[in-house]
Amino acid sequence: TQLLEQSPQFLSIQEGENLTVYCNSSSVFSSLQWYRQEPGEGPVLLVTVVTGGEVKKLKRLTFQFGDARKDSSLHITAAQPGDTGLYLCAGGEIYNQGGKLIFGQGTELSVKP
Amino acid sequence: EPEVTQTPSHQVTQMGQEVILRCVPISNHLYFYWYRQILGQKVEFLVSFYNNEISEKSEIFDDQFSVERPDGSNFTLKIRSTKLEDSAMYFCASSAGRLSTEAFFGQGTRLTVV
Repeated sequence: TQLLEQSPQFLSIQEGENLTVYCNSSSVFSSLQWYRQEPGEGPVLLVTVVTGGEVKKLKRLTFQFGDARKDSSLHITAAQPGDTGLYLCAGGEIYNQGGKLIFGQGTELSVKP
Repeated sequence: EPEVTQTPSHQVTQMGQEVILRCVPISNHLYFYWYRQILGQKVEFLVSFYNNEISEKSEIFDDQFSVERPDGSNFTLKIRSTKLEDSAMYFCASSAGRLSTEAFFGQGTRLTVV
């Protein structure tokens, strides 16, 4: 079974700081998706990366897929209180039959004003 | 913007009772999924469904679970005889294709078994 490990699990920072969240595995994934989840709600898709080395930007968020497609990172520049939430990475298994996603355990981000 | 919708948002049931969780996936999507999230734990895959049959299921998805697409728009998850440990958030998701695995999730159904 493929596993995804996210770090850190918890992150508390001040408004305006930069941060990076990591998502690592020993396995290769066909794609890597980042979600944001609010308490009591479903994961909301932020981005999908599919090519090794790919970088995507979404306003102040930068997502990168590792060259070997085993890891990914999410970098937030000048964090704001509205960025507070649970960030999840999820990988698509490379030999998957049905599109199953493997989720990391999440990074709980708190941005204080 | 198209979205996945789930009903009910919260279901309380007695142990041993049957429950049916309902989902309306995004209309042009072909792959449908159920995931669950026990409080404080990871989102876990249960089952994927394509072309009116199960593509893959996890070890969690035992004989007590079943899925159905009864009418071309709804996608349901049935738990025949609920156990206390089935208490969790259940998420439905859909994707346009398998290889992209860009899945969109519903808001979830919180199932509480008492």
